[in-house]
Amino acid sequence: QSALTQPASVSGSPGQSITISCTGTGGDIATYNYVSWYQQHPGKAPKLLIFDVTKRPSGVFSRFSGSKSGNTASLTISGLQIEDEADYYCTSYTRGGSLVVFGGGTRLTVL
Amino acid sequence: QVHLVESGGGVVHPGRSLRLACSASGFTFSSYGIHWVRQAPGKGLEWVTVIGYDGSEKFYGDSVKGRFTISRDNPKNTVYLEMSSLRVEDTAVYYCSRDGGGAILEYHMDVWGEGTTVTVSS
Repeated sequence: QSALTQPASVSGSPGQSITISCTGTGGDIATYNYVSWYQQHPGKAPKLLIFDVTKRPSGVFSRFSGSKSGNTASLTISGLQIEDEADYYCTSYTRGGSLVVFGGGTRLTVL
Repeated sequence: QVHLVESGGGVVHPGRSLRLACSASGFTFSSYGIHWVRQAPGKGLEWVTVIGYDGSEKFYGDSVKGRFTISRDNPKNTVYLEMSSLRVEDTAVYYCSRDGGGAILEYHMDVWGEGTTVTVSS
């Protein structure tokens, strides 16, 4: 069982917007701003999309945005494209046993 | 070009040891922390360990604490993961990744290798 909870799957149509939630357990998302999001296509290494809750690395499209409210972080993808179909993972720094915890991952299907 | 390459994966019996290596190029290796993250077949990502830029900080996930050891050789631009007392559940693709914070760990991973596969089986 992952320390951070994500929906197993979400779906949307090209051009639409979707939001993936990531809920923590108390000593992580609500307490620290070290929340990041990763995209992983099948058989590929993960790619950093968002760090420090809202920041985008250079080269990541502005269609990807992050936010946080209380114990829940969110990744929003606007203007969905076919190539956005992938698995998405959130992470957070935590004061718990493991320094970094991942969410269980969300499979995005672009219909 | 910034690059990380993992090596050392393979098939090993339960209880045995294995050492992975992560070789870096294209950036000032000695200024960055390095993480290991693993992914069991068909499963999600799991954080394993991190080492700070100079090797003075090392942290481990609960599932590997006491069995895995991370180290680095800055002149060789390489981080090592020594895995001992391996279990079937350690079977995974192991990725090394760069911490995006530089000298201060910020716990996000901005550069990833392609991974190396470890299979623990009798």
